[in-house]
Amino acid sequence: GAGVSQSPSNKVTEKGKDVELRCDPISGHTALYWYRQSLGQGLEFLIYFQGNSAPDKSGLPSDRFSAERTGGSVSTLTIQRTQQEDSAVYLCASTYRDTHTDTQYFGPGTRLTVL
Amino acid sequence: GDSVTQMEGPVTLSEEAFLTINCTYTATGYPSLFWYVQYPGEGLQLLLKATKADDKGSNKGFEATYRKETTSFHLEKGSVQVSDSAVYFCALSDKRDDKIIFGKGTRLHILP
Repeated sequence: GAGVSQSPSNKVTEKGKDVELRCDPISGHTALYWYRQSLGQGLEFLIYFQGNSAPDKSGLPSDRFSAERTGGSVSTLTIQRTQQEDSAVYLCASTYRDTHTDTQYFGPGTRLTVL
Repeated sequence: GDSVTQMEGPVTLSEEAFLTINCTYTATGYPSLFWYVQYPGEGLQLLLKATKADDKGSNKGFEATYRKETTSFHLEKGSVQVSDSAVYFCALSDKRDDKIIFGKGTRLHILP
């Protein structure tokens, strides 16, 4: 496909369970971002991957959150021991190279509901 | 650190009204500035951007001018349509650390 894809589109889980969210960026894009969009809130930066550099994890809200990017392409965001406050839409975006000027392309998001 | 502040919504206007959504930023360097839009049920998409002072970004009748002296990037449209109803996000990218910082978003409702 031509765009950023994310799966699943919706995830309902019970408090305390672990979840994995997947992002497939646009082929050839070297930079990948994860954001969280909570109800009534803006976009909260979580983590950023650029090429082979160490990821910028400064936005991760707690050590229950982690992400990896395998082979410079697909990324997985893992939330361990989910809490109700983790409920949000998790967005992934990718960009070609220069985030200073290049457009970020967003995926449709994964809506996570923690019961 | 860098930040973006935009007017809180919701903003409700009648069709054909003039629109301004204010956005100001704080950045140490010389960032690029963006407006993203999220239509109902759709993903975020870039609306327009400006990469240096005095640049004007424009798309779909929307405009925003990069004003370094006032650290602003206000979004304007001369005559809004019902189809412009969406959430609008102002954002900046600072070349020093490659992150994009978003504002909280402004929900726009256009009444027919």
